[in-house]
Amino acid sequence: GAVVSQHPSWVICKSGTSVKIECRSLDFQATTMFWYRQFPKQSLMLMATSNEGSKATYEQGVEKDKFLINHASLTLSTLTVTSAHPEDSSFYICSASSGTGGSYEQYFGPGTRLTVT
Amino acid sequence: GQNIDQPTEMTATEGAIVQINCTYQTSGFNGLFWYQQHAGEAPTFLSYNVLDGLEEKGRFSSFLSRSKGYSYLLLKELQMKDSASYLCAVKDSNYQLIWGAGTKLIIKP
Repeated sequence: GAVVSQHPSWVICKSGTSVKIECRSLDFQATTMFWYRQFPKQSLMLMATSNEGSKATYEQGVEKDKFLINHASLTLSTLTVTSAHPEDSSFYICSASSGTGGSYEQYFGPGTRLTVT
Repeated sequence: GQNIDQPTEMTATEGAIVQINCTYQTSGFNGLFWYQQHAGEAPTFLSYNVLDGLEEKGRFSSFLSRSKGYSYLLLKELQMKDSASYLCAVKDSNYQLIWGAGTKLIIKP
């Protein structure tokens, strides 16, 4: 159980275009979803936390107008990278949790590799 | 500030035992997680500790000492497939996960 899917698994786009990444919890209701970015050989960097039906909370330094997050239901969250630039090329990973307490673990999606040319 | 320290890289031999240490300084503590991440893949959950002591799960064990702000992940009978990065993460007083930079474990035959 506790499966999280992401789509697409990889995408190449041209500079200036927008890309949408979907994150779905397949067999549980995700109270909270998290979006991370990971550059090569670096650790996870939390971008934002979203709760179903409310606005996402962005980490310091993350542009909310550039990285649009929508958590429309308890099983779906989307991240849209607007006006993408080559420096946005990274591995984007979502995770989902059925609660926020201490013992609630985050289940990770397989990640989306974005390349902006 | 909040800080989690792990060694950057470790090397071990197939069949041996390796211990990966993690020290943390966070505002509050609501549990410590260990995740495994293979190159190019997302992290997968290994263990969760909230009370002091050792949690054993097959070849993997995780230990926690809250008074020392210290944890370790112990891997026994190492296999080549254990080559991966191991991430230590702590939930702070706001239940937010604070991530370490990860330890890259290299297993040699």
